[in-house]
Amino acid sequence: NAGVTQTPKFQVLKTGQSMTLQCAQDMNHNSMYWYRQDPGMGLRLIYYSASEGTTDKGEVPNGYNVSRLNKREFSLRLESAAPSQTSVYFCASSGGGEGYNEQFFGPGTRLTVL
Amino acid sequence: AQTVTQSQPEMSVQEAETVTLSCTYDTSESDYYLFWYKQPPSRQMILVIRQEAYKQQNATENRFSVNFQKAAKSFSLKISDSQLGDAAMYFCAYRSVVLGAQKLVFGQGTRLTINP
Repeated sequence: NAGVTQTPKFQVLKTGQSMTLQCAQDMNHNSMYWYRQDPGMGLRLIYYSASEGTTDKGEVPNGYNVSRLNKREFSLRLESAAPSQTSVYFCASSGGGEGYNEQFFGPGTRLTVL
Repeated sequence: AQTVTQSQPEMSVQEAETVTLSCTYDTSESDYYLFWYKQPPSRQMILVIRQEAYKQQNATENRFSVNFQKAAKSFSLKISDSQLGDAAMYFCAYRSVVLGAQKLVFGQGTRLTINP
């Protein structure tokens, strides 16, 4: 049981390059999330998927796209990377539905855009 | 929109002493969840404790306890008998109970240093 996995762990891009961050969970969770963490700002939600087949914008969606490929996988794409997107990216998942469901986090991806 | 504020960027405490981290939040909802997460240097986000707003009793988990003041919208974390392994960033977070809106809203974080 690996929980939430993210690839890659580290990435360096040049301005204008594109890349996709991959996330997968093996807990049969309905909901998945992408956050970014910048120094002094805590984690901020980029996009989330409440259930398979749905995606919604979070607090900071500009410059990103997401795909809920299936129940297990939720990818984050940067079409044209900018230095302002240098950050640590976290994927998370939770059971969804009513009531309390703990949100489990992946180990994070450190992205640097030069 | 909900907001979470942690006004202490850094805190330090002597090993075995007690420390309290502060958090305030703003919401118009009457029912919600509040959390404290720990992030050690490994970057892994670890849930420390949670509080349901409808519960008057403060949550406790071993050496960790909270002081939840709903009217004041305050949610502080007390760590008793501090240990070197408690050194980390601590984040306060809010979550609505509205169906489909289970996203977390985080504060800016407090870096806790434990002095031996």
